[in-house]
Amino acid sequence: GDSVTQMEGPVTLSEEAFLTINCTYTATGYPSLFWYVQYPGEGLQLLLKATKADDKGSNKGFEATYRKETTSFHLEKGSVQVSDSAVYFCALSLTNSGNTPLVFGKGTRLSVIA
Amino acid sequence: GAVVSQHPSRVICKSGTSVKIECRSLDFQATTMFWYRQFPKQSLMLMATSNEGSKATYEQGVEKDKFLINHASLTLSTLTVTSAHPEDSSFYICSARTSGGPGPQYFGPGTRLLVL
Repeated sequence: GDSVTQMEGPVTLSEEAFLTINCTYTATGYPSLFWYVQYPGEGLQLLLKATKADDKGSNKGFEATYRKETTSFHLEKGSVQVSDSAVYFCALSLTNSGNTPLVFGKGTRLSVIA
Repeated sequence: GAVVSQHPSRVICKSGTSVKIECRSLDFQATTMFWYRQFPKQSLMLMATSNEGSKATYEQGVEKDKFLINHASLTLSTLTVTSAHPEDSSFYICSARTSGGPGPQYFGPGTRLLVL
C-alpha cells in the first residue's frame, strides 16, 4: 500500500544550522506531496506542497522538491531558528476523492537550540 | 488557506461523563472530515472518517459506541467521547478537505481531553 517514511528524530540543531529532514514515499500512482508542521500543543499546519514531479514547494524559508526518480520529498531550510522547533510530518495524497485521508509519516521532532 | 476550528480547546472531566468536541470548517464546505487522536510525542492515529449526512467509517480498533461521530452539516462534525475514562485522555484533532482533487487536509487546533 501507499506509505511515507521519514527520518527518525529527534533532530537537534544549533540556531542558523542547515536542516534536512528526509522523506520517501511508496505509491502506486502519482501522488501530491505535503509537509505539515505541528508546534507544541497545536494542530497541524500545512507548510508546503507539491503536486507533480520536479515541483518545488516553499514557505517560510523551507523548501522541498518532488523527486519522482528517487520517490523523495526532503524538507530543507538553510538557517533554522529556535522558533522552528516543532514536529514535521510528510504526507501524500493519491486519490482524486476528498473522502480519503492523507497518508502521513510518523513525524520528525526538531529542536533548535540558541 | 482554509480554516478549521475546534471547540473546546481543553476540557477536564470526571470519569463516566461524556464530552462533545465540535469541529467546524469556517470558510469552506467539507463533505468529509477526519478525526485523529494523538498521544504525547507520537504520530497521528486516524480514528474515523466522517461524511456529511451518513454514518462515519471507523478505523480498526476504534469503538464506534464509545466515540460517537455526527456530521450533520457541511461545516460541522462532532465527536462525543461517551462514558470517558482516564485512558481516553488524549489530544483529539479534526481535519477536513475541500471537495474534489488530491488537495491538502486542513487541521483544527486540537482539543486536549483530561479524564480524572
